[in-house]
Amino acid sequence: NAGVTQTPKFQVLKTGQSMTLQCAQDMNHNSMYWYRQDPGMGLRLIYYSASEGTTDKGEVPNGYNVSRLNKREFSLRLESAAPSQTSVYFCASRGGGSGSGANVLTFGAGSRLTVL
Amino acid sequence: AQRVTQPEKLLSVFKGAPVELKCNYSYSGSPELFWYVQYSRQRLQLLLRHISRESIKGFTADLNKGETSFHLKKPFAQEEDSAMYYCALSGLGGGADGLTFGKGTHLIIQP
Repeated sequence: NAGVTQTPKFQVLKTGQSMTLQCAQDMNHNSMYWYRQDPGMGLRLIYYSASEGTTDKGEVPNGYNVSRLNKREFSLRLESAAPSQTSVYFCASRGGGSGSGANVLTFGAGSRLTVL
Repeated sequence: AQRVTQPEKLLSVFKGAPVELKCNYSYSGSPELFWYVQYSRQRLQLLLRHISRESIKGFTADLNKGETSFHLKKPFAQEEDSAMYYCALSGLGGGADGLTFGKGTHLIIQP
């Protein structure tokens, strides 16, 4: 049971470079999320996708783009990386329905990004 | 608007002492509340949710609608409880698909 898989786990970029963080879930969840985690700031939502084909901005969307490629995959792209985007990024998906997993977030292992 | 407040960024207690991590929320309807935990360099995971009314790893949390609180408690802290704890609310009509996180509390259990 893989749950939520994120790649890469670590990445170092130079200012201005671009990259895409990949996320895939195998739980047939409709909703998927991208968060960044910074010391003292907690989790901050970048973008989310409530269902396949839709995406919405979260609290800190500037400098990022997302693609909900299909129900399983939700990618996060940095077009021109900046040092302020140095962070740990977490992807998550959210269970629906009314069972024990309803409304519960399952997180990926995180991607540690450093922008020099 | 829905909001989750965790007033303590950092909480340090000694092993064997009681622990209480505070969480207050603002929401006009009947929310669903959660606690998530992140151990060092691990992914966040669900610790407990109020509708389950269960104790996980010795932790309990009771939803107090009058005080709009969902504090996390454990009578005797253990060193392995050291982690980052996030309170979260799921409601209707809020931003981000109705899901709101607090800023987190870093719990340190001293030996």
